[in-house]
Amino acid sequence: DVKVTQSSRYLVKRTGEKVFLECVQDMDHENMFWYRQDPGLGLRLIYFSYDVKMKEKGDIPEGYSVSREKKERFSLILESASTNQTSMYLCASSFTNTGELFFGEGSRLTVL
Amino acid sequence: GENVEQHPSTLSVQEGDSAVIKCTYSDSASNYFPWYKQELGKRPQLIIDIRSNVGEKKDQRIAVTLNKTAKHFSLHITETQPEDSAVYFCAGYSTLTFGKGTMLLVSP
Repeated sequence: DVKVTQSSRYLVKRTGEKVFLECVQDMDHENMFWYRQDPGLGLRLIYFSYDVKMKEKGDIPEGYSVSREKKERFSLILESASTNQTSMYLCASSFTNTGELFFGEGSRLTVL
Repeated sequence: GENVEQHPSTLSVQEGDSAVIKCTYSDSASNYFPWYKQELGKRPQLIIDIRSNVGEKKDQRIAVTLNKTAKHFSLHITETQPEDSAVYFCAGYSTLTFGKGTMLLVSP
């Protein structure tokens, strides 16, 4: 079974703090993604990566950055957290560009 | 970017009824159309998908139909059961855009 593991299930941070969300997949997938999930807004793509050290902006990249130094690991970084970044963050990976996405369990971030 | 519209946002049915959720997309280049199911507190999981070279695909009680001319695809669930209650998402794959989701409630 594909396993996508997100390092933290719940985080509480203060406004202005730097936040790291880590995601690791164990199936040698080329593609990795970070989504944000908010009620009524569905899943919105923040950033994705098709290869090590490559990154592409999604629909809502403002306020976020990413890092992919190793194939299995994709990190989402909030340089200066703000209250409007309180959300559920979902990492996903896939083998091909048009193939099944395997999601992690999500990281619920609260910014106070 | 691509626009994916999903309707309805909520759908309540009685057990045994059929449920239909529809998505429209804007990018003609899209050629892969998946549906994901997310149960409460769990991660989204793929339940069925279709590629642009076929018009319909079935898997037991679920089916997906695709109309490329009209740019819409639909999820059909027959003989609904309480365990079908979840949020369902469609996606347009040219830009990895998801619809906003449909909360399906199946009452016993």
